[in-house]
Amino acid sequence: DTGVSQDPRHKITKRGQNVTFRCDPISEHNRLYWYRQTLGQGPEFLTYFQNEAQLEKSRLLSDRFSAERPKGSFSTLEIQRTEQGDSAMYLCASSHINEQFFGPGTRLTVL
Amino acid sequence: AQKVTQAQTEISVVEKEDVTLDCVYETRDTTYYLFWYKQPPSGELVFLIRRNSFDEQNEISGRYSWNFQKSTSSFNFTITASQVVDSAVYFCALSSMDSNYQLIWGAGTKLIIKP
Repeated sequence: DTGVSQDPRHKITKRGQNVTFRCDPISEHNRLYWYRQTLGQGPEFLTYFQNEAQLEKSRLLSDRFSAERPKGSFSTLEIQRTEQGDSAMYLCASSHINEQFFGPGTRLTVL
Repeated sequence: AQKVTQAQTEISVVEKEDVTLDCVYETRDTTYYLFWYKQPPSGELVFLIRRNSFDEQNEISGRYSWNFQKSTSSFNFTITASQVVDSAVYFCALSSMDSNYQLIWGAGTKLIIKP
């Protein structure tokens, strides 16, 4: 399978814990995006990378959120001191120029 | 500012009916890209189509067709002879250099196909 993959698919955590998600993009894609989606809403942009450089971050990305793409391949999104409001689907997408192809998402539930 | 409007929150039709999902966009860029994505109940966003602003030809892919009208800033999506498997939320999105090719999303239209 050469699509975008995300791990884990589901994560349940207690409030205050840290969580980390991983995204493996399509190998030849140099752009990687993170989105958050809550029920009944469209995806909200969080951040994006071109190769290993993080070029833009949304105001939605508070100081508790950090993302990395250390070698321009896979990316991680970490949420520190999780809050119940962080419960959502976290989507990763990759692209070469235009079409973004999405992974299956990581559904986070914060208890 | 860039914006995508999908005025239809939810549409329900009986199987085999044709259905059109509306999408209206706003942008000041002269070069931009329009997209449709499908999100079935499983949650994964599935890319359906990309259309460049300089290509107004309509496109047909099986039961799916797209009507791009720059004059009305619309990019509507029609499903012919709908099937239950078409039930999903459909998102229209816009990107351009001005947005660093970030996708600007509509709110989505939930399509319910009844057997």
